[in-house]
Amino acid sequence: QKEVEQDPGPLSVPEGAIVSLNCTYSNSAFQYFMWYRQYSRKGPELLMYTYSSGNKEDGRFTAQVDKSSKYISLFIRDSQPSDSATYLCAMSPQGGRRALTFGSGTRLQVQP
Amino acid sequence: DTGVSQDPRHKITKRGQNVTFRCDPISEHNRLYWYRQTLGQGPEFLTYFQNEAQLEKSRLLSDRFSAERPKGSFSTLEIQRTEQGDSAMYLCASSLGQKNTEAFFGQGTRLTVV
Repeated sequence: QKEVEQDPGPLSVPEGAIVSLNCTYSNSAFQYFMWYRQYSRKGPELLMYTYSSGNKEDGRFTAQVDKSSKYISLFIRDSQPSDSATYLCAMSPQGGRRALTFGSGTRLQVQP
Repeated sequence: DTGVSQDPRHKITKRGQNVTFRCDPISEHNRLYWYRQTLGQGPEFLTYFQNEAQLEKSRLLSDRFSAERPKGSFSTLEIQRTEQGDSAMYLCASSLGQKNTEAFFGQGTRLTVV
């Protein structure tokens, strides 16, 4: 079983919809949680970064971390066709090399 | 452009040939990572440098792979005797250090072994 599980999708929504993307993880040592957006044949682009539990908001994006359930979410409000991409969750423990463990990514398609 | 830069963007090579990729991190970042990404999967950690010291290598990094970061600036990843299974996107990322885990990625080098 992978340390980080993510539904691969694809997830198709109409423009303007609220999108919910989720990951579950098994390693309780993870303390840092990130969401990356990756367009086809490009490198991952950092969207959101949170430490430990709680919520963080940045424009149309909200990241939530529930460490008790080992569950993280990314919400996208008023989704746009330009949001169509693969969304990767990533996490790392406190200390050490801080290398990221990624989910496999969820492919999102926002229909105009 | 002050982001992470990787070169080349694409590389096609014949099986058995050696290839080398370069990564230029964000200038003040002392941590540098190499990841490999195959189709439909998230990036997988290969190796990590803090300044010029290579501090960890994943078991994914066979003895055909070697990475360097001379003088703690740019890094190179070399694959010797390439195999078809090496075909993937090779991603480089950098971060500032202990107090900042935000890692920024380059555009990657897509390797195709034929």
